[in-house]
Amino acid sequence: RKEVEQDPGPFNVPEGATVAFNCTYSNSASQSFFWYRQDCRKEPKLLMSVYSSGNEDGRFTAQLNRASQYISLLIRDSKLSDSATYLCAGSNSGYALNFGKGTSLLVTP
Amino acid sequence: EPEVTQTPSHQVTQMGQEVILRCVPISNHLYFYWYRQILGQKVEFLVSFYNNEISEKSEIFDDQFSVERPDGSNFTLKIRSTKLEDSAMYFCASSDTPGTRSTDTQYFGPGTRLTVL
Repeated sequence: RKEVEQDPGPFNVPEGATVAFNCTYSNSASQSFFWYRQDCRKEPKLLMSVYSSGNEDGRFTAQLNRASQYISLLIRDSKLSDSATYLCAGSNSGYALNFGKGTSLLVTP
Repeated sequence: EPEVTQTPSHQVTQMGQEVILRCVPISNHLYFYWYRQILGQKVEFLVSFYNNEISEKSEIFDDQFSVERPDGSNFTLKIRSTKLEDSAMYFCASSDTPGTRSTDTQYFGPGTRLTVL
């Protein structure tokens, strides 16, 4: 059973659009959650941690719903440079990050 | 900005050979990790290392694999007797805290692309 699942997309959106990704996790013991961004053939780079109360960083908002076991990422005012794969990750051990397969976003002019 | 570095960027080897992938974690970090990503697949955890010992490992990390911190700066992943299915991108990561909280961040290196022929 997959621990972390994401819609692979691709999500094709025009510049300026708002787009949201969801990620579900199966292990209720998962404690920490993160959104990473991965460009083609590059390393994952932390976009933001996800706090229980939800958190915002500029155009990006992350939410955690423990009851339904999902996290979300909202991107407002999409830029061309937002085109990438967005990886959801959870940690229940404090060491291993369990990644989803990623959601592909393409922002078009 | 401090960063994790990895060498080589690309390693080509013959099946059955041994390879050593090298990483230099961020200097004040204490927790080290290896992940791999097979082309088109998700990033998979292999092993974590703290205080000179393995703190957690996945099912993938079998006897074929070993890790070592040979000195104060390097962290290595050795793969003995490589198989075709070991072809993947191998990422090293480090963190200054163990990752039990959302404020704990793992920073990834650029990866080593391993190709087993």
